[in-house]
Amino acid sequence: QVQLKESGPGLVQPSQTLSLTCTVSGFSLRSDGVIWVRQPPGKGLEWMGVTWGSGNTNYNSALKSRLSISRDTSKSQVFLKMNNLQTEDTAMYFCARWDYSGDYWGQGVMVTVSS
Amino acid sequence: DIVLTQSPVLAVSLGQRTTISCRASQSVSISSINLIHWYQQKPGQQPKLLIFRASNLASGIPARFSGSGSGTDFTLTIDPVQADDIAAYYCQQSRESPFTFGAGTKLELK
Repeated sequence: QVQLKESGPGLVQPSQTLSLTCTVSGFSLRSDGVIWVRQPPGKGLEWMGVTWGSGNTNYNSALKSRLSISRDTSKSQVFLKMNNLQTEDTAMYFCARWDYSGDYWGQGVMVTVSS
Repeated sequence: DIVLTQSPVLAVSLGQRTTISCRASQSVSISSINLIHWYQQKPGQQPKLLIFRASNLASGIPARFSGSGSGTDFTLTIDPVQADDIAAYYCQQSRESPFTFGAGTKLELK
């Protein structure tokens, strides 16, 4: 069955770089896309970006200068890197399979930006 | 970017019919395919896909959920509302990148 699981550090210092991994199973990254979505505490969902089955990527324009999404198809992993983190980047970060809608989601990983 | 507008809070009574609206700043339809999707999210959980492409029920979702609309105006209907449906509901468009979400509608009991 389709599964996604996010992993990464729970705490990041301000101005540092966030690195998250989404490990998938039950589908191929060569055919299906994966999106990253984040949610600050008590707030709504923010779409961050997508990596398509082709390997192409699209990003939220507000985050584009700081954000990079890549993948390793042999390991069934998708990576998110975002630099210069600030306290407002504190959020739950989710990955989801993307077939022009997010039909399967990981449970998310909480990232806190604090010194 | 396409902006999706939702009412922030909706008070409902159990057993009644309720509709949640989502209005897009521009058309999210391509050749009669309406690229709006609806998610339910409960506290501490990941979002769950309810409806894709405006009116298609996702796998395992009860038939009391339905979706409709075209162009810029879309509706999620729950009939009848059950206690388990008290949650936040988000619409999302996939007409063009960035694939934005609405701010969400929180369902509350009257």
